[in-house]
Amino acid sequence: DTEVTQTPKHLVMGMTNKKSLKCEQHMGHRAMYWYKQKAKKPPELMFVYSYEKLSINESVPSRFSPECPNSSLLNLHLHALQPEDSALYLCASSNRQGANTEAFFGQGTRLTVV
Amino acid sequence: QKEVEQNSGPLSVPEGAIASLNCTYSDRGSQSFFWYRQYSGKSPELIMFIYSNGDKEDGRFTAQLNKASQYVSLLIRDSQPSDSATYLCAVKGTSGTYKYIFGTGTRLKVLA
Repeated sequence: DTEVTQTPKHLVMGMTNKKSLKCEQHMGHRAMYWYKQKAKKPPELMFVYSYEKLSINESVPSRFSPECPNSSLLNLHLHALQPEDSALYLCASSNRQGANTEAFFGQGTRLTVV
Repeated sequence: QKEVEQNSGPLSVPEGAIASLNCTYSDRGSQSFFWYRQYSGKSPELIMFIYSNGDKEDGRFTAQLNKASQYVSLLIRDSQPSDSATYLCAVKGTSGTYKYIFGTGTRLKVLA
């Protein structure tokens, strides 16, 4: 089983709203990732958690706030987003953060900011 | 110079032919290499990964890695219309952070 589950699948939010994206995996993976993908572009790394600790923040604006409550869950809290933040948000996990490990992606949350 | 480069395509091949997708990378210390398939509007799906020089085969897919030339390729044999998608090359770099760095992807069209 290589399933990473993301909810919701679609989200429309206003610029003053607060919402959260959720990601769950039960593969025992200890590294989890948030990526942002705009149309016709490759995924861009936002955050990496390794053993529930934030290990990489790619200079993401503070209106995006990640949280890793436990080894199976990863959240992305959204506040005061801009229309240009509309994108496909992808969660991924891998066995660990080391070199020879493959990452598996969830189905993504299609976010529209109005 | 981009860290991971791919020809954006589209690469058009007839059904049943071999599709050859190429990727070059700039970090000579890169250790692991991945091919993902992404259908329009969907998330990337892992197809192959390769860590050692040479070829690795899985069904109709063969990944080839040449670290001296900093080159990784994906061959798809007996291409099917269902293989039409964007193929993303990802490289896991060194520098201790082990980030997956994606190329811009090659769009493949398999013509029936």
